[in-house]
Amino acid sequence: AQKITQTQPGMFVQEKEAVTLDCTYDTSDPSYGLFWYKQPSSGEMIFLIYQGSYDQQNATEGRYSLNFQKARKSANLVISASQLGDSAMYFCAMREGRRNSGYSTLTFGKGTMLLVSP
Amino acid sequence: NAGVMQNPRHLVRRRGQEARLRCSPMKGHSHVYWYRQLPEEGLKFMVYLQKENIIDESGMPKERFSAEFPKEGPSILRIQQVVRGDSAAYFCASSTQGRETQYFGPGTRLLVL
Repeated sequence: AQKITQTQPGMFVQEKEAVTLDCTYDTSDPSYGLFWYKQPSSGEMIFLIYQGSYDQQNATEGRYSLNFQKARKSANLVISASQLGDSAMYFCAMREGRRNSGYSTLTFGKGTMLLVSP
Repeated sequence: NAGVMQNPRHLVRRRGQEARLRCSPMKGHSHVYWYRQLPEEGLKFMVYLQKENIIDESGMPKERFSAEFPKEGPSILRIQQVVRGDSAAYFCASSTQGRETQYFGPGTRLLVL
């Protein structure tokens, strides 16, 4: 069974508008973390934002915010005021395991391609 | 402060040859992870290493693939007798002890002819 599901293969948005990229996850572990990474056409993986399962507030990093709905097991990425440079592939990922286990491995979704038009 | 370094960025091999991929973690990071990204797919975990130790290799194929992280020098992912199905982007990530975030290198794109 897929642990991370990104249902939108592609999304289009106009410059300066907000866009939401969907991510749902599946885990029975009470302690987990959720990440979003951006992969531009150059290929590198850029860390955007992190949400811990015990965090009380939704994470925010500049124009990025994570809409965390624990009961629904969703962790959608919201990008406000889109810019042309936001055009890229976006991956949602989950870390499972005890917070202080010393290491964690990530499970990735298949990604959503975002295209920002002028 | 340099990020995670990987080389080469692109590697072309013929079937049956060996591929060696190198990863230097961020300064101060002692945990290294390798992931593989097949075309049109997300990244999949292969192996996790600390200095001189393989901690978790549950995602690495049992044959032809090996990884090391010696006391001195970069981490190496080695693929022997490559086949066309090994063509992929291989990413290395590093983290500090107790930290949640893994920072990724730029990846090595392996093409097997």
